[in-house]
Amino acid sequence: NAGVMQNPRHLVRRRGQEARLRCSPMKGHSHVYWYRQLPEEGLKFMVYLQKENIIDESGMPKERFSAEFPKEGPSILRIQQVVRGDSAAYFCASSPPGLAGARGNEQFFGPGTRLTVL
Amino acid sequence: GQQVMQIPQYQHVQEGEDFTTYCNSSTTLSNIQWYKQRPGGHPVFLIQLVKSGEVKKQKRLTFQFGEAKKNSSLHITATQTTDVGTYFCAGGSSGTYKYIFGTGTRLKVLA
Repeated sequence: NAGVMQNPRHLVRRRGQEARLRCSPMKGHSHVYWYRQLPEEGLKFMVYLQKENIIDESGMPKERFSAEFPKEGPSILRIQQVVRGDSAAYFCASSPPGLAGARGNEQFFGPGTRLTVL
Repeated sequence: GQQVMQIPQYQHVQEGEDFTTYCNSSTTLSNIQWYKQRPGGHPVFLIQLVKSGEVKKQKRLTFQFGEAKKNSSLHITATQTTDVGTYFCAGGSSGTYKYIFGTGTRLKVLA
């Protein structure tokens, strides 16, 4: 049973370019979280999606960032017109569906995409 | 907004010594999860606590959820070099899907 897959593992972009980060959840999981982690810091929640639906995007910057999880294919985190401050590790995690405030569900993290903006 | 703080930020211990990290939330939580992230790696789930005052053990690791469900701790007995990494707590709240991760405690174990 393959774990959470993310690609690319490393991505280098110049300022102003677009970055597309992909995440394939574990088999049987239909919900995906995206987190951003700056060096030496914790994980910041960005967005929570289910197939074809954004459930909670309260952690997403209002501009330049978008996320989707289509019916077919991986979840995509898209960053338009990247700036140096976007350099970070971006992790996705998948889990079975469920509210965090209920019994909650273990999150299975992918290996992350390290984005470097030159 | 909700904040989850962890102390200490860093901890260096000699191999064989004990280690404890504390997690404090600004709001009452419904459950709390603990993760370990090795240097250069990704977070790996360790455990989830749900009940007030709950204590769970995994070999040398002991996890506790406070009575008020606003704080938690992770204690490692007799640390080993394989315990090196950053330990994060993540708090879940009622009616929400998102987890707020703590600031993390980075543990170094000196052989």
